[in-house]
Amino acid sequence: GAVVSQHPSWVICKSGTSVKIECRSLDFQATTMFWYRQFPKQSLMLMATSNEGSKATYEQGVEKDKFLINHASLTLSTLTVTSAHPEDSSFYICSAPTPSGPDNEQFFGPGTRLTVL
Amino acid sequence: GQNIDQPTEMTATEGAIVQINCTYQTSGFNGLFWYQQHAGEAPTFLSYNVLDGLEEKGRFSSFLSRSKGYSYLLLKELQMKDSASYLCAVKDSNYQLIWGAGTKLIIKP
Repeated sequence: GAVVSQHPSWVICKSGTSVKIECRSLDFQATTMFWYRQFPKQSLMLMATSNEGSKATYEQGVEKDKFLINHASLTLSTLTVTSAHPEDSSFYICSAPTPSGPDNEQFFGPGTRLTVL
Repeated sequence: GQNIDQPTEMTATEGAIVQINCTYQTSGFNGLFWYQQHAGEAPTFLSYNVLDGLEEKGRFSSFLSRSKGYSYLLLKELQMKDSASYLCAVKDSNYQLIWGAGTKLIIKP
């Protein structure tokens, strides 16, 4: 089946630093990838849609200058949290629609837990 | 606005059957998904319904009624490993996934 990987799986950083999270589709090409954020006991919240070769589409309320997305190839999208603050601490998950499966079913990466001190 | 409702938490006994309900109000409908999410992990796909009726897949079944804006996930022969959150998501007219907050299912021996 389709596999999506994320790196790192967890990261702890100091306030004010930047953190880069990688999302890779391992056995298929993904022209589109999705970035989600999930706070404890809450639903998944779509942050942005990453498009290979073009600018990402951000959801309302998500700061594009703070959450930089780069989709440089058909298998890699990166999310950089710039000048991270404690309120950015969350579980970040990427997903990619698969070539097969029902109506662009999404497969999720394992997630990255970010803790900002 | 768009809204998906599911119970926050349910408890069931190992070996029993449990039904998790989901009601939705969205701008358009292009399918309903159920995902399982264990604590600290990403969601994994369980089922997809786009037409009314019941879809059965092993111990799990999912039902959809588009006219009622209603779906349920039925889990049979519950096992301890089924303890997880179950997320209902609807794809709207823009093909964007709208997520419910999830139902935490607790299985007791």
